[in-house]
Amino acid sequence: GDQVEQSPSALSLHEGTGSALRCNFTTTMRAVQWFRKNSRGSLINLFYLASGTKENGRLKSAFDSKERYSTLHIRDAQLEDSGTYFCAARGYNQGKLIFGQGTKLSIKP
Amino acid sequence: GGIITQTPKFLIGQEGQKLTLKCQQNFNHDTMYWYRQDSGKGLRLIYYSITENDLQKGDLSEGYDASREKKSSFSLTVTSAQKNEMAVFLCASARQDNTGQLYFGEGSKLTVL
Repeated sequence: GDQVEQSPSALSLHEGTGSALRCNFTTTMRAVQWFRKNSRGSLINLFYLASGTKENGRLKSAFDSKERYSTLHIRDAQLEDSGTYFCAARGYNQGKLIFGQGTKLSIKP
Repeated sequence: GGIITQTPKFLIGQEGQKLTLKCQQNFNHDTMYWYRQDSGKGLRLIYYSITENDLQKGDLSEGYDASREKKSSFSLTVTSAQKNEMAVFLCASARQDNTGQLYFGEGSKLTVL
């Protein structure tokens, strides 16, 4: 079936630096959504993209359906950015969201 | 804005017990979902419903029942709780056209003794 491969599984950054998370899809996806798991275990919406890029503060996301990937860029990382980030993509066939395995992000002083 | 309310937030049960989680949303969304999240893993879809009284099996439906009593309400039942079912269960909703954003509840943590 349709798969979402998220990388890296874990990432450690120093405060003030940046990096990118990536999700690759095994098939063409209709849309992608990025989430961050909060301290209570719930998922907070970060971005929803059907195409192109979106930016919000220090976060920026891109989605290329044709090339089958999406990225989440974090710049000027802060301690409170620590947590687990998930991408989820919606396929054309079933319309269900398919989740990546998550990236555990640790920000160090 | 709307909100998704899951009850209870914490549920403790005995092995073999039948346990029910409830979810309410006031977004007026047509589609609702139940996901299970195990530690260190991504979310897996248990059941979803595209409208009142509709049920669709997800990837992990065995051992669960669901009920969409009305548009705003979607409940999930663990038919016979097992120790390896200790996980966080997340309810979500989205607009009918399935292109819309998914919104999640706060989660319900299940512990089986």
